[in-house]
Amino acid sequence: DGGITQSPKYLFRKEGQNVTLSCEQNLNHDAMYWYRQDPGQGLRLIYYSQIVNDFQKGDIAEGYSVSREKKESFPLTVTSAQKNPTAFYLCASSLRQGNSPLHFGNGTRLTVT
Amino acid sequence: GESVGLHLPTLSVQEGDNSIINCAYSNSASDYFIWYKQESGKGPQFIIDIRSNMDKRQGQRVTVLLNKTVKHLSLQIAATQPGDSAVYFCADEREDFNKFYFGSGTKLNVKP
Repeated sequence: DGGITQSPKYLFRKEGQNVTLSCEQNLNHDAMYWYRQDPGQGLRLIYYSQIVNDFQKGDIAEGYSVSREKKESFPLTVTSAQKNPTAFYLCASSLRQGNSPLHFGNGTRLTVT
Repeated sequence: GESVGLHLPTLSVQEGDNSIINCAYSNSASDYFIWYKQESGKGPQFIIDIRSNMDKRQGQRVTVLLNKTVKHLSLQIAATQPGDSAVYFCADEREDFNKFYFGSGTKLNVKP
């Protein structure tokens, strides 16, 4: 079955440590995204990539970094510069054309203490 | 599961009744809209979409209505079932294609 796989489902880190969240898709989609979800709020865009080796900042990119070396993979690093990293992180992908829906993974819950 | 339902507006309906979930969007340039369903601990799941050149679109047990004049979107679920209990989000795509903005969501609670 085609889909998006995020791993791990739960992740715990100490403050001051960088952590990388994995996202892999086998839908052959060009575009990939990272969203952050906090209780009571809509999804907020962190970074997105429309093609391999290219990515753009979203609305809340500070403290995060990404890479897009392969079409299938779009890992997100939460750095120690992110002031409030505890959140639910969602990866998505879509066709690289207008009016195409996002397909989401099942998320990674990151807790930083 | 994830606490994505905290502090969200909640709609409670009886099993078998119809549900209507509303969403307002702010950008008149938005031209594509999607409704997503999110169950606890999972990612959002696509329900139905609509383009701005349409007012209404129907799927299986769901209908989306778009009123561009007042920038309002609604999702109607017919004969609501317990499995419909979830948080529902609307999303709109603006002139930067492939870039979506999400509402804060509505929690649907179906009572048996």
